[in-house]
Amino acid sequence: KAGVTQTPRYLIKTRGQQVTLSCSPISGHRSVSWYQQTPGQGLQFLFEYFSETQRNKGNFPGRFSGRQFSNSRSEMNVSTLELGDSALYLCASSIGPAGNTEAFFGQGTRLTVV
Amino acid sequence: DQQVKQNSPSLSVQEGRISILNCDYTNSMFDYFLWYKKYPAEGPTFLISISSIKDKNEDGRFTVFLNKSAKHLSLHIVPSQPGDSAVYFCAANGMNYGGSQGNLIFGKGTKLSVKP
Repeated sequence: KAGVTQTPRYLIKTRGQQVTLSCSPISGHRSVSWYQQTPGQGLQFLFEYFSETQRNKGNFPGRFSGRQFSNSRSEMNVSTLELGDSALYLCASSIGPAGNTEAFFGQGTRLTVV
Repeated sequence: DQQVKQNSPSLSVQEGRISILNCDYTNSMFDYFLWYKKYPAEGPTFLISISSIKDKNEDGRFTVFLNKSAKHLSLHIVPSQPGDSAVYFCAANGMNYGGSQGNLIFGKGTKLSVKP
């Protein structure tokens, strides 16, 4: 079955702009989580959505937001971009919050802010 | 403060030998642990997991050991192969921590190099 799909793969934006990243989870998966990966901080949790509801949020400013649609697809938005937002943004899907199951990651979106 | 720590940023091993990657955690509420492998320009790939009710889980060449009293887990790869060269991330998740299994807390990773 198809894996987690993230679009676009690469993005270059200017400081002050806003950006929207998209994630399509594995078919049948209802939970989508977003992570930011930077060389200095590693993988950091942004937020998790399940059935269109944000269930959990990491320690990121309000400029970072997200949403999930009824088909489980998710979008992440970053407003007023800063140079420090340059990172690899990863989306992970899992079946759901019931029980411990592994999360499957997409290839990520590489965002560069100039 | 880091709740999941991988203190070795890199590890070099000869092909055929054992690779041991270590991970420490501080939060006793974590009850599920996972290892992910990541190649450059790709997302992390799930490797193996262990529940806190177990102390060992084995899958082929990969074995994860959990020592709850020491809040320590390790990943053993035997025998190591050049294709195992990648960054390995340890992650923890607690059903009672944040109430969601989607919230994985990652270590900063250990870069494994397996030399032929």
